[in-house]
This record gives sequence, structure tokens and C-alpha cells, in this order.
Amino acid sequence: EVQLVESGGALVQPGGSLRLSCAASGFTFSSYWMHWVRQAPGKGLVWISRVNGDGSSTSHADSVKGRFTISRDNAKNTLYLQMNSLRTEDTAMYYCTRGNMVTLYSWGQGTLVTVSS
Amino acid sequence: QSALTQPPSASGSPGQSVTISCTGTSSDVGGYNYVSWYQQHPGKAPKLMIYEVTKRPSGVPDRFSGSKSGNTASLTVSGLQAEDEADYYCSSYAGSNNLFGGGTKVTVL
Repeated sequence: EVQLVESGGALVQPGGSLRLSCAASGFTFSSYWMHWVRQAPGKGLVWISRVNGDGSSTSHADSVKGRFTISRDNAKNTLYLQMNSLRTEDTAMYYCTRGNMVTLYSWGQGTLVTVSS
Repeated sequence: QSALTQPPSASGSPGQSVTISCTGTSSDVGGYNYVSWYQQHPGKAPKLMIYEVTKRPSGVPDRFSGSKSGNTASLTVSGLQAEDEADYYCSSYAGSNNLFGGGTKVTVL
């Protein structure tokens, strides 16, 4: 069974940093693209970042480019999202997803990031 | 990187059909056959319902179908059931990134 378990969400002050993790199991992690998607409270889904199977290709949405970095450790079956210079508008549930470059097959349950002073 | 455009709400009675549109541009929806649809119930993670415009993952009822014409994709839910009441999001590959629509709340009357 595919499992994606996010962690690392917390309350952080504006300008602060946070690293999210996503522990994957039940599939060959290195064979899949992985994405991060976020959802602000009461709002819609927003795609944030994607990384290919070996970590050599990444893309980020303009809204986080230069502040967020997606990466992966295939030896640990773990996906990461390093978030720097956090803003109040980054407050959201962050979902880890498994897929290919264009489709998100499986979703984790999410981890909540709150940016507030 | 503008979001795709979806109507905020749609509704139908049990047994009826409802169709949700998703409008983009030639740089996303119209440029690739990589539109997918996700269902999200309150407090739950989204679930893939349709991918590559028309394909259904294993386990998704054939009441759910997808199509595309030009820059607009559509999701049709036939034979509406109570459990279909949820938010639905379209998504499209757009080259350097992926885009989501704003979401449509489907109400079963």
C-alpha cells in the first residue's frame, strides 16, 4: 500500500525557515516524480514544486521560486521542502504527492504550516 | 502562472448528471493532453479521478468521465450519488510548472 506521511509543519514567524519531510513507503520511491501542493485554509489547491526520480530536475511555482527548494533522498525514501523567508501568505496545509511529471496519483494527509507573529 | 478557471459551484439531483468546466490557455489545457481532475471531501486529502483528459484510475467509477475541446476541459459526473458531493479541482501541465483550477463545489440536491 502506498503511504506518504508528511511532517515538519509548525507555527513559525514571518521571515523564518522550516523544512518539511515526506516519508514514502509501499512503492519504488526513485521511480516516481514527487510534488508538493499546498492549500490555504478554506481555499483551493496550489501546485508548489516537483522533482524527478533521481533529483536532477526540479521546478517551482513563481510564488515560491528563490525561497523554497524541493529535494529528495532516495536512500531514505524521503522527500523534502526547504522553506525560507516565510510569509504570512505561505500559511497552508502542505501535501506531498506521488506521480509522474503531469499527474498526481497519490496524496499524503498533509502537514500544517502557520506563519504568524 | 494564472490558475485555471472553474465555476465555483455546480449541483444536481441524485441520478442526474453534472458537468464542470476548466478553462485555460493554449499554453496549458489547450497545449497538452495532460489534464487531470481531483476530488476532495471536507477535511480529506484530494483523490485522483481522471488523468490525461479521459483516463480513469483503477477503482474510480465509470460515472466519472473527462473530455477536452480547445482550451477547455470538462468533467462529467453521471448518475449523481450522495457521496459525489465534494470539491473538484482540475489541473494541467504547463511546461515549466503545473496549474490547478480554483475548484468547484458540487452539491447533490
